[in-house]
Amino acid sequence: EAGVTQFPSHSVIEKGQTVTLRCDPISGHDNLYWYRRVMGKEIKFLLHFVKESKQDESGMPNNRFLAERTGGTYSTLKVQPAELEDSGVYFCASSQVRSSGWPLSYNEQFFGPGTRLTVL
Amino acid sequence: TQLLEQSPQFLSIQEGENLTVYCNSSSVFSSLQWYRQEPGEGPVLLVTVVTGGEVKKLKRLTFQFGDARKDSSLHITAAQPGDTGLYLCASPQGGSEKLVFGKGTKLTVNP
Repeated sequence: EAGVTQFPSHSVIEKGQTVTLRCDPISGHDNLYWYRRVMGKEIKFLLHFVKESKQDESGMPNNRFLAERTGGTYSTLKVQPAELEDSGVYFCASSQVRSSGWPLSYNEQFFGPGTRLTVL
Repeated sequence: TQLLEQSPQFLSIQEGENLTVYCNSSSVFSSLQWYRQEPGEGPVLLVTVVTGGEVKKLKRLTFQFGDARKDSSLHITAAQPGDTGLYLCASPQGGSEKLVFGKGTKLTVNP
């Protein structure tokens, strides 16, 4: 079974340009998450989709970031216009929808390899 | 937002040595997950601990959850070069599904 895939693996752009990151979750996983790790900092949550709906976007830094998940399959994260502080590694993760009574703690998230974004 | 403090930040040891890394919080964890991340890859879940005082073993790795569920440790016995990587602790925040991560401990095991 294929894991979570992300594209591209690396992206180098100039300040002010637009970049779109893509995530393909594990087939059948309705939950899809985006996280980001900025250099020297911890991995931080950005947002959570359940199918095509945004369940929680409390971690999105500002309105330059737009995430979509049309059709509830793959997701894209667009940064427009990119700023220097947007540099970092963007991770996508997916998980199954928890069954009723299934503890939250056992809802394993499977992470992709990340996209390393460098804004010059 | 709950903060997870991991220590040490870096650890470099020789093959065969034992080591312990720590994850602490000022708040009670609902549960605590340990991940390992290798270069160019995403974090991979090693274990989830839920109950205070819980101990879980995964081959040479022993995970312990503090009685008060505010701290956790990962002990590796007879470390091998293949154990090299970034060890992260994480916890679901406030009943939601979003994970809060520590900064990690970067472990290097030299042959």
